[in-house]
Amino acid sequence: DQQVKQNSPSLSVQEGRISILNCDYTNSMFDYFLWYKKYPAEGPTFLISISSIKDKNEDGRFTVFLNKSAKHLSLHIVPSQPGDSAVYFCAARGSGSARQLTFGSGTQLTVLP
Amino acid sequence: DVKVTQSSRYLVKRTGEKVFLECVQDMDHENMFWYRQDPGLGLRLIYFSYDVKMKEKGDIPEGYSVSREKKERFSLILESASTNQTSMYLCAGGRLAGGTSEQFFGPGTRLTVL
Repeated sequence: DQQVKQNSPSLSVQEGRISILNCDYTNSMFDYFLWYKKYPAEGPTFLISISSIKDKNEDGRFTVFLNKSAKHLSLHIVPSQPGDSAVYFCAARGSGSARQLTFGSGTQLTVLP
Repeated sequence: DVKVTQSSRYLVKRTGEKVFLECVQDMDHENMFWYRQDPGLGLRLIYFSYDVKMKEKGDIPEGYSVSREKKERFSLILESASTNQTSMYLCAGGRLAGGTSEQFFGPGTRLTVL
């Protein structure tokens, strides 16, 4: 059973507009959430994170929102740029021995020029 | 600049072969992880290690084993490769405690089993 879900496999937006990527989780014990970005033929790279005690974290064009009651988080990118086209994974940190991450299935974002 | 390297970017093997995937990190991180990435399934954790000679099963360990003899090196072993192990394999390193649990990934190994 998937504990972290990204229900949209793909998303297309126009350059300059806002991109909103969504993620849902089921395990209330997750205490940290991260977003990763992955280009083809490269490993994922860390983008932004949020602690479960916060509801918003912002870093430049990227903002992550967390709604604990709904077990939902979202990544907002504004303004979107063609270089943002990539697969975005959300991940949640559990309480295992290595504080390992559980990843969602990813959303392919395409920003159209 | 932190770095995780993987021994091969592309690998083609035959069914039944023993396959070794090597990963080296230069970050002095305690944790190391092996994932496989498949379309529609995201990253799934195969095995991880939080110390030298320590290993724990992830979500999909069947058909795999690992070895961690030195802190910087974590190997994934396919004892007898099968076609359903054709996938992108990603290695990552990370700190054991504190911080954001950010993991640093290698470039991946695209394994094809014929």
